[in-house]
Amino acid sequence: KAGVTQTPRYLIKTRGQQVTLSCSPISGHRSVSWYQQTPGQGLQFLFEYFSETQRNKGNFPGRFSGRQFSNSRSEMNVSTLELGDSALYLCASSLVDYGYTFGSGTRLTVV
Amino acid sequence: SQQGEEDPQALSIQEGENATMNCSYKTSINNLQWYRQNSGRGLVHLILIRSNEREKHSGRLRVTLDTSKKSSSLLITASRAADTASYFCATDAGGNNRLAFGKGNQVVVIP
Repeated sequence: KAGVTQTPRYLIKTRGQQVTLSCSPISGHRSVSWYQQTPGQGLQFLFEYFSETQRNKGNFPGRFSGRQFSNSRSEMNVSTLELGDSALYLCASSLVDYGYTFGSGTRLTVV
Repeated sequence: SQQGEEDPQALSIQEGENATMNCSYKTSINNLQWYRQNSGRGLVHLILIRSNEREKHSGRLRVTLDTSKKSSSLLITASRAADTASYFCATDAGGNNRLAFGKGNQVVVIP
């Protein structure tokens, strides 16, 4: 069965712009989570959605937002990009208590 | 605060040897998971151990969990060059569907 699909794989944006990343979970998985990975801070939780509702949110500024659609696909948006937003953004989907399946990530570079 | 902190080691071993890495965490958990990441790509779920389990095996992987010491270990037996990767432990505390990751262990298996 298909895994978690993230698009695009790579993205280069300019400071001040906004960006939208997409994630399609494994069919049947209703929970979708987003993580940011940087060399300095490691893997940090952004937010988690379940049935179109944000259930959990990490300690990120309001410039980071997300949503989930009725087909469980999720998007995250970062507005007013800063250099420090350059990171690998990972999406994961899961069934309860069975571990998470991660996508290959979107590598965002802000210049 | 971040839960799940691996011993900050970079392991370099010969093919065929065993590799052991440790992880400690700070608060009560529902489960602890180990993931592998190759070259900054997506995370691959290796194994999940629940808080009421003490040891779990999956192929060449052996995970132990000591909740009294708030620690876990991952053993990879008979390592292969393909095991070269970063390994992360992650805790799911309180069943709130947010993983707290450690900083990862870099393992290099020399053919």
